[in-house]
Amino acid sequence: ETGVTQTPRHLVMGMTNKKSLKCEQHLGHNAMYWYKQSAKKPLELMFVYSLEERVENNSVPSRFSPECPNSSHLFLHLHTLQPEDSALYLCASGPASYNEQFFGPGTRLTVL
Amino acid sequence: AQKITQTQPGMFVQEKEAVTLDCTYDTSDPSYGLFWYKQPSSGEMIFLIYQGSYDQQNATEGRYSLNFQKARKSANLVISASQLGDSAMYFCAMREGIGSGGGADGLTFGKGTHLIIQP
Repeated sequence: ETGVTQTPRHLVMGMTNKKSLKCEQHLGHNAMYWYKQSAKKPLELMFVYSLEERVENNSVPSRFSPECPNSSHLFLHLHTLQPEDSALYLCASGPASYNEQFFGPGTRLTVL
Repeated sequence: AQKITQTQPGMFVQEKEAVTLDCTYDTSDPSYGLFWYKQPSSGEMIFLIYQGSYDQQNATEGRYSLNFQKARKSANLVISASQLGDSAMYFCAMREGIGSGGGADGLTFGKGTHLIIQP
C-alpha cells in the first residue's frame, strides 16, 4: 500500500467517548500534519510534527491530543468532544523539500 | 486579514472549455510556496500543482497551469479543456518561509471554489 492512509474513514461518537484516529504514510516523509475541515470554513491546521516532535499547535483544545510514535504514524486521540467538533479530519505528510504535502482520504467524524 | 482569498464560491463551466480559478494571497515573507488542491466529493485532497516564490516560470502539470503574477500577489489556476471529472472543490494554499530552515510548516488554505463542469 502506498501514499497516506487514514482509519477509520467514518466515526460516530458520543461526547463522553474516547476514540483515536490513525494516519500512516508510506512515502518516507519526515513531517506529518493534522488538519480540520468544518463545513463552510477553510481547512485549519491543527498540529505539525517534524522528525516525530511537535513543532506547531495552533491553539487546539486539549480534548484533541496528538501522538507521533515514529515517522510513519500519527494519531489523534479524542476525548470529551463537542458536537461542533464534527468535521472531516485530514492527515498529511511532506518531505524536507517543502514543496509537496500529500493528504490522506480523511476521517469524517460526527459527535452526537 | 485573510492570507488566501478565493473570490469565486462556485463556477459553472461547459465541458471542453478552459477554466480560470482565482487566488490572491497576502504575505510579507519573500520565500513562500503556493499550492492548488482538488477535493472531489469523496473528501480526499489531491495535489495538483506547486509554484515557488522564486520560480521564474509559471508551473505546469498536464492540463493544469498556474498563472503566477507576483507583483499582484495572484496565483490563478488554469484548467485547459475541462472534463466532467474536473467537477470538485478547488483550494488554493500557501506555505510561508520555504527554504528558510525553519522546519516543517503547515499550509494556509482559502475557502475554495466549487467547480461544476456541465456536459
